[in-house]
Amino acid sequence: DQQVKQNSPSLSVQEGRISILNCDYTNSMFDYFLWYKKYPAEGPTFLISISSIKDKNEDGRFTVFLNKSAKHLSLHIVPSQPGDSAVYFCAATTEDYQLIWGAGTKLIIKP
Amino acid sequence: NAGVTQTPKFRVLKTGQSMTLLCAQDMNHEYMYWYRQDPGMGLRLIHYSVGEGTTAKGEVPDGYNVSRLKKQNFLLGLESAAPSQTSVYFCASNRQGATEAFFGQGTRLTVV
Repeated sequence: DQQVKQNSPSLSVQEGRISILNCDYTNSMFDYFLWYKKYPAEGPTFLISISSIKDKNEDGRFTVFLNKSAKHLSLHIVPSQPGDSAVYFCAATTEDYQLIWGAGTKLIIKP
Repeated sequence: NAGVTQTPKFRVLKTGQSMTLLCAQDMNHEYMYWYRQDPGMGLRLIHYSVGEGTTAKGEVPDGYNVSRLKKQNFLLGLESAAPSQTSVYFCASNRQGATEAFFGQGTRLTVV
């Protein structure tokens, strides 16, 4: 049973527009939620995180929103740039700091 | 800044062969992890370590063994490789209490 789900395998967005990546989870005990970005042939790199006690965290063009009642979080990228094309993973931390990962969403930014 | 280094980057094994993947980190991190990534799936935790000399099983530990004899190194062993272990393996590390983990570049393993 997947505890962290990313239901969209891919997403295509026009350059300059907003990209919205979604993630759902089932375990209400997760402490933190993180977004990682992954380019081909590289390891994932940390992008942004949010504590379970907050509903929004912003870092430059990236904003993560958390809706605990819906067990849903989303990553907004505004404006989208060609370098944003990558696979984005949503992950959640357990009490012992293990990371539970979603399957990833491939974001394609069109010129 | 080396960060997290994995060796080798690529390997082809025959069924039944053994091998060891090495992960080294130079950030003095307490926690280290081994993940595998398969097509259409997120990263799945194989084994992890919260400190030198300690290891624990993750989500998919069967067929793998690990050792953490030194704080900076985390070894993943396959005693008798099977085609089902064809995957991309990632090592990661983080400070105790930190949420962000740092990843190596990955090892692409093919078992034929």
